[in-house]
Amino acid sequence: DGGITQSPKYLFRKEGQNVTLSCEQNLNHDAMYWYRQDPGQGLRLIYYSQIVNDFQKGDIAEGYSVSREKKESFPLTVTSAQKNPTAFYLCASTTRDREYQPQHFGDGTRLSIL
Amino acid sequence: AQSVTQLGSHVSVSEGALVLLRCNYSSSVPPYLFWYVQYPNQGLQLLLKYTTGATLVKGINGFEAEFKKSETSFHLTKPSAHMSDAAEYFCAVRDDSGYSTLTFGKGTMLLVSP
Repeated sequence: DGGITQSPKYLFRKEGQNVTLSCEQNLNHDAMYWYRQDPGQGLRLIYYSQIVNDFQKGDIAEGYSVSREKKESFPLTVTSAQKNPTAFYLCASTTRDREYQPQHFGDGTRLSIL
Repeated sequence: AQSVTQLGSHVSVSEGALVLLRCNYSSSVPPYLFWYVQYPNQGLQLLLKYTTGATLVKGINGFEAEFKKSETSFHLTKPSAHMSDAAEYFCAVRDDSGYSTLTFGKGTMLLVSP
């Protein structure tokens, strides 16, 4: 079955450490997205990418970085500059067909501070 | 800029009762609207979408929503709640950025009691 795989499911970060969250999709989707979810805040867009080797900042990009070297992969790095990284992180993807298609989501990674 | 307002962070119903989750939006372009459901520690699953055409949209699990342009609303309903409907529900609107990004509401937690 096609889908989006996020790993790991749980991740712990020490102070001053960078950590990378993995997102892989086998849906042949062009566009991929990273969201941060905090209780009562809904989903907030961190970064997104429409094509390989190109990506744009979302609403809360500070303290995060991404790469898009392959169509199926869009890893997110939470850097030490992100002072409040504890959250649930969701990756999504969609096609870029002429008619807008809804985003498909992975099952998320929960990041906590040690 | 787009925005989504979901009235009520928590809604409680009895099993068998009507479910009504409210969503109002603002958009500078013809809106594409979505409802997603999230179960604990999981990603988001698409319930239904409105893009063009019929304003009453039927989704999975017996849910439906009606697009009312004059009221800028897209409320989600289900005639009879089931215990398995207990989850968090998110309304979203397509952004006008041309990048197929979404703006999400803050979510409504549906609680179903026996």
